[in-house]
Amino acid sequence: AQSVTQPDIHITVSEGASLELRCNYSYGATPYLFWYVQSPGQGLQLLLKYFSGDTLVQGIKGFEAEFKRSQSSFNLRKPSVHWSDAAEYFCAVGFMEYGNKLVFGAGTILRVKS
Amino acid sequence: DTEVTQTPKHLVMGMTNKKSLKCEQHMGHRAMYWYKQKAKKPPELMFVYSYEKLSINESVPSRFSPECPNSSLLNLHLHALQPEDSALYLCASSQTYRDEAFFGQGTRLTVV
Repeated sequence: AQSVTQPDIHITVSEGASLELRCNYSYGATPYLFWYVQSPGQGLQLLLKYFSGDTLVQGIKGFEAEFKRSQSSFNLRKPSVHWSDAAEYFCAVGFMEYGNKLVFGAGTILRVKS
Repeated sequence: DTEVTQTPKHLVMGMTNKKSLKCEQHMGHRAMYWYKQKAKKPPELMFVYSYEKLSINESVPSRFSPECPNSSLLNLHLHALQPEDSALYLCASSQTYRDEAFFGQGTRLTVV
């Protein structure tokens, strides 16, 4: 069965520090991979996506992610965190042969301390 | 413009009420989705419409009834809901079912 694991429920980083959020997936083939961000009570905003090609993808707000097939991982990174980055981050896997069914990880809540 | 608009933003309904959630996009997307998100949980897919036809129903109870009247609109009709159906209902759309999905801000539903 397909699954997405985000091992960190909460992460706290200092403003200006670097950030890495982990995501691992379980699927027989190469899936489509996404990172979304959600502020409390709000919808989800797409940060970046990986479909194929270059395994290092750039997204909005200075975020990037790297697909590593050998580790079944798609970790999100940012070199310098801003207080406005505090939110919940969801990794998602898209199984397009099933009509863009997105399966989300449990989410990681990011807290930024000044 | 990557906007998906959902109305209402908040809804409180009784267990005997009938209500509808509405979702609209004007990006020319041909795939639209309903997701349900319980508190402190990730979103879970409910329905997928592709070219205005229902392509996925994730075994959702019949008290939730989706409708796609045209390529820009998606409704979710609610009837005889239970308190455990209280959640954030998210609509999303994508160019086709093989493209990334853009989400609306959601409708916060409370069933009393």
